[in-house]
Amino acid sequence: NAGVTQTPKFQVLKTGQSMTLQCAQDMNHNSMYWYRQDPGMGLRLIYYSASEGTTDKGEVPNGYNVSRLNKREFSLRLESAAPSQTSVYFCASSEGTAGGPLSPLHFGNGTRLTVT
Amino acid sequence: AQSVTQLGSHVSVSEGALVLLRCNYSSSVPPYLFWYVQYPNQGLQLLLKYTTGATLVKGINGFEAEFKKSETSFHLTKPSAHMSDAAEYFCAVSLVSGNTPLVFGKGTRLSVIA
Repeated sequence: NAGVTQTPKFQVLKTGQSMTLQCAQDMNHNSMYWYRQDPGMGLRLIYYSASEGTTDKGEVPNGYNVSRLNKREFSLRLESAAPSQTSVYFCASSEGTAGGPLSPLHFGNGTRLTVT
Repeated sequence: AQSVTQLGSHVSVSEGALVLLRCNYSSSVPPYLFWYVQYPNQGLQLLLKYTTGATLVKGINGFEAEFKKSETSFHLTKPSAHMSDAAEYFCAVSLVSGNTPLVFGKGTRLSVIA
């Protein structure tokens, strides 16, 4: 099984450019998440979608938008990239809402984004 | 709101030595607690979790953690470190109600010295 697939793996943007990070899962999971990982900061939640058709803000949503396209796909868009958005972005999914005993998170391998 | 504090951003141990990674949580209600591991250039993988019942939880690769409510702690241990244990480890907490996403600690990088 592929699990959670993220594209692209690497991306370099100039300040002000836009791009969309793609994420797809093949586990029929209900919930999907976008995290960013920065040195010394751990993982911080950007947005999540507890079910198809719903999205909610996480801890650091400013500068991002998301779309839950269908049950499988959850995309993250940067409308006008800034150097502060240089980070590694992880998509994750879970069967239910993360935290329940039946719902461990499954992570993709990340997208490394550099904004110059 | 719940939160997690991991003591020590970097821990270094010799191969064969005890591994102890510390995690303390803050939660107004009983929590679910998790340890995740991240190997280089990969996403996180679930190592073990505490939900209810037995407070000593065993996970993969010989790791275990003990939930101590009185100390609000969930420290991760392994009796004998192996070179392959070198990775970053994250403690995470969620509420028993289960309707909130996980909150992660800042991570502890484990180095294993031959």
